[in-house]
Amino acid sequence: AQSVAQPEDQVNVAEGNPLTVKCTYSVSGNPYLFWYVQYPNRGLQFLLKYITGDNLVKGSYGFEAEFNKSQTSFHLKKPSALVSDSALYFCAVRAHSNYQLIWGAGTKLIIKP
Amino acid sequence: DAGVIQSPRHEVTEMGQEVTLRCKPISGHNSLFWYRQTMMRGLELLIYFNNNVPIDDSGMPEDRFSAKMPNASFSTLKIQPSEPRDSAVYFCASSPTETYEQYFGPGTRLTVT
Repeated sequence: AQSVAQPEDQVNVAEGNPLTVKCTYSVSGNPYLFWYVQYPNRGLQFLLKYITGDNLVKGSYGFEAEFNKSQTSFHLKKPSALVSDSALYFCAVRAHSNYQLIWGAGTKLIIKP
Repeated sequence: DAGVIQSPRHEVTEMGQEVTLRCKPISGHNSLFWYRQTMMRGLELLIYFNNNVPIDDSGMPEDRFSAKMPNASFSTLKIQPSEPRDSAVYFCASSPTETYEQYFGPGTRLTVT
């Protein structure tokens, strides 16, 4: 069965420090992996995706994610956090042969000044 | 492009009333998704359309829920009769099938009293 795990409900980071939001997945075959961000009272906003190719994917707002096939992980990272990065972050995966995205439960990222 | 448009943004109604949520996908997108988001269950896929045809409605909670897509630029999600447990934020998302990521609307916050 396909699944996505975001093991941390909340991540706290000081402004200017690097941040990591973790995601692991289970899917048959080659995965398509996504990160979305949700600000309060807003819809989900696409950040980045991994389909194929380079394992390090760069996305919006300075975020990047690294696909690690052996660890079945797709952690979201940013070298220097901003207070405005505070939001809810969702990881999602779909199998190559399936349209449906499987969503993680979300991780609340809090960046403190 | 204006992005995915949803209306209304907020809806408060009494139990037993009919509720209709509306969505205009991004022009040119072939796929449309309706989601429901609650604190308890997270993000749930309700129904998926491809080229205006419902492909998977297995996520629709019960017969009180129905969805239509009469043309490529409009979709509705109807709840009749509504119940308090239907209170949630309902999102519409569209996708150009070949690039995989979904673009979300701002959502409709539904409160059923």
